[in-house]
Amino acid sequence: AQSVAQPEDQVNVAEGNPLTVKCTYSVSGNPYLFWYVQYPNRGLQFLLKYITGDNLVKGSYGFEAEFNKSQTSFHLKKPSALVSDSALYFCAVRDIGAGNMLTFGGGTRLMVKP
Amino acid sequence: DSGVTQTPKHLITATGQRVTLRCSPRSGDLSVYWYQQSLDQGLQFLIQYYNGEERAKGNILERFSAQQFPDLHSELNLSSLELGDSALYFCASSVIGGQGTEAFFGQGTRLTVV
Repeated sequence: AQSVAQPEDQVNVAEGNPLTVKCTYSVSGNPYLFWYVQYPNRGLQFLLKYITGDNLVKGSYGFEAEFNKSQTSFHLKKPSALVSDSALYFCAVRDIGAGNMLTFGGGTRLMVKP
Repeated sequence: DSGVTQTPKHLITATGQRVTLRCSPRSGDLSVYWYQQSLDQGLQFLIQYYNGEERAKGNILERFSAQQFPDLHSELNLSSLELGDSALYFCASSVIGGQGTEAFFGQGTRLTVV
């Protein structure tokens, strides 16, 4: 079975500083990776995805993610954090062995302080 | 707005009762997924339907069932409810459930069992 891990429960960063939210994955074939964000009392919003091609993927709200096959990682990044980026972030992988459903990591809470 | 509609937004019910959660997918999306989000277990995949047929099943209890109707809306039925069933239940939809396809999430139904 495919899986993703988010090693940090929480990431703290000052506004204006770069941020990184880590994700590592385990798949048996080609990885199809996704990042979602969840604001309080809201559903998950799609940020970006990696299917194939460039290792640097650009997404919504200025976020980008770097795919690294040798390290089996797909870290979410943003050059300059905003207080409004504070939310819960989920990394996910398509499980092609189970109807293509998305398997999620445990989530990382990002706190951006003014 | 993701285009996925879930009703009701909040539900409070007693132990032993039965409830039905409803999901209307985005226009044109054939695939519907149900997820449970609880504080201690993150996002757990329950079940997937594609064009009316069950496609994949996750950690769904026998007390829970779902179906997808000809108009593609889906219902998740939870019966003999227990306190531990209190959680956020999300529905997501995607066009065909292909490997590179992102899923779009509704805002969820918050179920509280008392």
